[in-house]
Amino acid sequence: GQQVMQIPQYQHVQEGEDFTTYCNSSTTLSNIQWYKQRPGGHPVFLIQLVKSGEVKKQKRLTFQFGEAKKNSSLHITATQTTDVGTYFCAGNNAGNMLTFGGGTRLMVKP
Amino acid sequence: NAGVTQTPKFQVLKTGQSMTLQCAQDMNHNSMYWYRQDPGMGLRLIYYSASEGTTDKGEVPNGYNVSRLNKREFSLRLESAAPSQTSVYFCASSEGAGGPFLSSYNEQFFGPGTRLTVL
Repeated sequence: GQQVMQIPQYQHVQEGEDFTTYCNSSTTLSNIQWYKQRPGGHPVFLIQLVKSGEVKKQKRLTFQFGEAKKNSSLHITATQTTDVGTYFCAGNNAGNMLTFGGGTRLMVKP
Repeated sequence: NAGVTQTPKFQVLKTGQSMTLQCAQDMNHNSMYWYRQDPGMGLRLIYYSASEGTTDKGEVPNGYNVSRLNKREFSLRLESAAPSQTSVYFCASSEGAGGPFLSSYNEQFFGPGTRLTVL
């Protein structure tokens, strides 16, 4: 079945440093979604990518969908303490259920 | 709008006890979902309802049952709780009627979660 894997599982950064999490699928995806979950909170939708090679930006966050539509990345520039949380990717293609990756937990040291 | 609401927020059960987790959404969404979240394992789909009156199994349905009471409400029942069901449970909804399958409107809105401990 379809599998979605995320790396790294954990990341500690100093405030101001950049952060990247990677999402890889065993199959070609039709779309990829990214969610953020604050500690003790619930997942909140950030963005959806659907086109090969697509790049979208939200302030300091840059989301990219790979050319082959089998991987994606989320890059945060100059992390802040408000970026703390777990970032999940989720993807699917026709016939398969939306599958979530295991998440990357970001910790930011002030 | 409250979005997606869940009750209770916390629950402790003994092995063998039963309980129902309640979920409601006020966004007129067609699809609703139940997930469990365990450390390091992301979100795993238990059951979903692609539209009012339908329910289907997700990735990890064993030990659970669901009811789509109406368009707003989707409940999850544990008939005989086991320690392996200790987890955080999230209900979610999305606008499209395709459930977790490809849809133009499948952004999911999550409830605040229920933290369940089974002793």
